[in-house]
Amino acid sequence: AQTVTQSQPEMSVQEAETVTLSCTYDTSESDYYLFWYKQPPSRQMILVIRQEAYKQQNATENRFSVNFQKAAKSFSLKISDSQLGDAAMYFCAYRSVTQGGSEKLVFGKGTKLTVNP
Amino acid sequence: DTAVSQTPKYLVTQMGNDKSIKCEQNLGHDTMYWYKQDSKKFLKIMFSYNNKELIINETVPNRFSPKSPDKAHLNLHINSLELGDSAVYFCASSQDLSGTGFGGNTIYFGEGSWLTVV
Repeated sequence: AQTVTQSQPEMSVQEAETVTLSCTYDTSESDYYLFWYKQPPSRQMILVIRQEAYKQQNATENRFSVNFQKAAKSFSLKISDSQLGDAAMYFCAYRSVTQGGSEKLVFGKGTKLTVNP
Repeated sequence: DTAVSQTPKYLVTQMGNDKSIKCEQNLGHDTMYWYKQDSKKFLKIMFSYNNKELIINETVPNRFSPKSPDKAHLNLHINSLELGDSAVYFCASSQDLSGTGFGGNTIYFGEGSWLTVV
């Protein structure tokens, strides 16, 4: 079974600075998807970024980018120019390539990010 | 327009009661899910449905019964509520494609339903 590990329960960053959240995973599969979700205090789950394992190019979405190291099974999230609204719980998640809903998202335990003004 | 909407958002109820949470998605997805987030914020799948057919049924007490009248709706009914059922319940949906495509195989979540059992 796949597992996802987020080794940093909490992180903090100064506004406008850059922060990197770590995520490692364990799998024997060669093709899969990786995601970062953001959960603000409202508890809504918001998709931040997605990476397809077959793609060597790291995904980017505006100020958010990932460092995907397939061999090392590492998938870190970099937030540039941090803003107060980035403060949230961030979850790393793994999903097998699937059809028909047969594969679940496997989540890490989350990293709580605090942004200091 | 909200893509995945669930109601109610907040629910406080007494032990032993029966309650339902409704979910609707307007994304045209074939698959819907229920996830539970406990007090430690750990997220775990409960059920998945594909075109009204139950696909995933994790080890969940049989007091929890999902119902999917059509592929756009997935409701969760809970009988004989217990204190330990207090959690945030998330509905979600996805369109799982063979091959790849932007957005395919991504699971989109609703805003969550906060259930408190007293």
